[in-house]
Amino acid sequence: AQKVTQAQTEISVVEKEDVTLDCVYETRDTTYYLFWYKQPPSGELVFLIRRNSFDEQNEISGRYSWNFQKSTSSFNFTITASQVVDSAVYFCALILTGANNLFFGTGTRLTVIP
Amino acid sequence: NAGVTQTPKFRILKIGQSMTLQCTQDMNHNYMYWYRQDPGMGLKLIYYSVGAGITDKGEVPNGYNVSRSTTEDFPLRLELAAPSQTSVYFCASSPRWERTEAFFGQGTRLTVV
Repeated sequence: AQKVTQAQTEISVVEKEDVTLDCVYETRDTTYYLFWYKQPPSGELVFLIRRNSFDEQNEISGRYSWNFQKSTSSFNFTITASQVVDSAVYFCALILTGANNLFFGTGTRLTVIP
Repeated sequence: NAGVTQTPKFRILKIGQSMTLQCTQDMNHNYMYWYRQDPGMGLKLIYYSVGAGITDKGEVPNGYNVSRSTTEDFPLRLELAAPSQTSVYFCASSPRWERTEAFFGQGTRLTVV
């Protein structure tokens, strides 16, 4: 069975602080994709990144960076120099290759305090 | 380019009533999905479709029905609404999950009283 765990329910940081959102996944399959989505207060889901299980290179996009470690089944997300606009719920998700169900974690609510 | 459009955005139903949540995409995506999001939870898959005329159940299909007569439309039908169906419903589409991100609609907030 597949499972995605986001142990941090809520995080609050002061603007300009760095913050890391944790994601741990479980699967017996060797081929899969991992995702991060952002859900701002307006409610829509915004795609942030997709990573396949064969690519463990870390990725940086502006203030966002992702650390994928298969050895620990983790796909953590770091926001550098956080801004108020980063306040949102962030979801980590997993899909197996060839499957149709995207398994979501329960989300981490990030609040950036000005 | 509208992407994925869901209607209505909000709805209050009485127990036992029925309704259809509409979802339309204009990206010619084969794959479409319905998810529900309960408070403090992640999204759970209700139904999905891999193309016109083809649908299948997800994790939580009970109490719902879908149809896919065209590539663009994927309506979700609630029969005999129950309080347990109070949730936010998201429709999504993608060319294929594995190779690209899914595009989500804005969501429909449904309350059953």
